[in-house]
Amino acid sequence: SQELEQSPQSLIVQEGKNLTINCTSSKTLYGLYWYKQKYGEGLIFLMMLQKGGEEKSHEKITAKLDEKKQQSSLHITASQPSHAGIYLCGADIPSGTYKYIFGTGTRLKVLA
Amino acid sequence: DAGVIQSPRHEVTEMGQEVTLRCKPISGHDYLFWYRQTMMRGLELLIYFNNNVPIDDSGMPEDRFSAKMPNASFSTLKIQPSEPRDSAVYFCASSSGLSVSEAFFGQGTRLTVV
Repeated sequence: SQELEQSPQSLIVQEGKNLTINCTSSKTLYGLYWYKQKYGEGLIFLMMLQKGGEEKSHEKITAKLDEKKQQSSLHITASQPSHAGIYLCGADIPSGTYKYIFGTGTRLKVLA
Repeated sequence: DAGVIQSPRHEVTEMGQEVTLRCKPISGHDYLFWYRQTMMRGLELLIYFNNNVPIDDSGMPEDRFSAKMPNASFSTLKIQPSEPRDSAVYFCASSSGLSVSEAFFGQGTRLTVV
């Protein structure tokens, strides 16, 4: 079955440091989505990547999708305490019906 | 619009009791999704509706779980009887399209079954 593996599972960084979160699929993805979830709250959509090699940025967050469309990375530059939360990747599964799965998430803590 | 509204935000109940979670989607959204989030399994789709009709409930774990959407502005997820392993955060999301990238999530209901 299709799975999305995220790494690392948790991350603690000092404010100002850069960090990268990875999301790997066992199969080619139609679309890869990144979300941020504040503890105890709902998901906030960050970015969507659909084309192999695509890269998008929003403020200090950059997401890339590899050429094979099986791996994506989320990079945060000069992290801030406001970046803390759970980052989830999600993907549309190629099938006859609607299928959408999420990665298990990466818990990020930024120390001031 | 106030966004997707879920209630209650927190629920603690005893094993065997019935639990009902509620969701008010964003007005005009045709799709409504129920998700469950646990540490072990992450975020899982339980069921989704399109125009108040359940389309795919293959994610519903057991017959103890049921979901309804009597009208476009209200949905419920019921667990009867509840068990400790049902403890999780349950999210409702609504969308104008099928892709979850367009969905707006509620703040979730944290359910604890003791």
